[in-house]
Amino acid sequence: AQSVTQLGSHVSVSEGALVLLRCNYSSSVPPYLFWYVQYPNQGLQLLLKYTSAATLVKGINGFEAEFKKSETSFHLTKPSAHMSDAAEYFCAVTLYSSASKIIFGSGTRLSIRP
Amino acid sequence: EAQVTQNPRYLITVTGKKLTVTCSQNMNHEYMSWYRQDPGLGLRQIYYSMNVEVTDKGDVPEGYKVSRKEKRNFPLILESPSPNQTSLYFCASSQGTDQVYNEQFFGPGTRLTVL
Repeated sequence: AQSVTQLGSHVSVSEGALVLLRCNYSSSVPPYLFWYVQYPNQGLQLLLKYTSAATLVKGINGFEAEFKKSETSFHLTKPSAHMSDAAEYFCAVTLYSSASKIIFGSGTRLSIRP
Repeated sequence: EAQVTQNPRYLITVTGKKLTVTCSQNMNHEYMSWYRQDPGLGLRQIYYSMNVEVTDKGDVPEGYKVSRKEKRNFPLILESPSPNQTSLYFCASSQGTDQVYNEQFFGPGTRLTVL
């Protein structure tokens, strides 16, 4: 069965500091992986996705994620946090390119300290 | 403006009183889906539809019904709501049915409280 585990339901960083949100996946075959962001009182928005083309994936708003097969991880990073990055972030997975559904993780709330 | 709209945005109701949450998209998308979001559980899919008159169960379909009579609309029906259906609900749509190469666009959410 496919699943993702997000380590840490809440992460707090100072403005300008590195953002690191952790996601580990579990699947028997190479997965397709996603990061979504949910700003307060809004729906989810796709940040980036891994489709096996390149292990380092760049997304919107300066975020990137690296697929590491040996660690079964797909952590999300941003070198310097902005106040506007405060949101909830979801990692998600699917196994097949033709899949009609994706499985979401439990989410990590990111807070930014001034 | 391309968007997914949901109504109502907020709803407080009582156990057993039938309700419908509407979802509409103006992007001519084939695929539509309903999710519920609960703290610590992330988003879980309730139902999805790959085209008009084609619907299928997601991971948590119990207590819900859907229909897809028109391409743009995908209402979520709770025939007899119960308190455990108190949640934040999202509708989403995408151009194609595969979720890897077709980005899902999400509505703003409907916060439902069942007393």
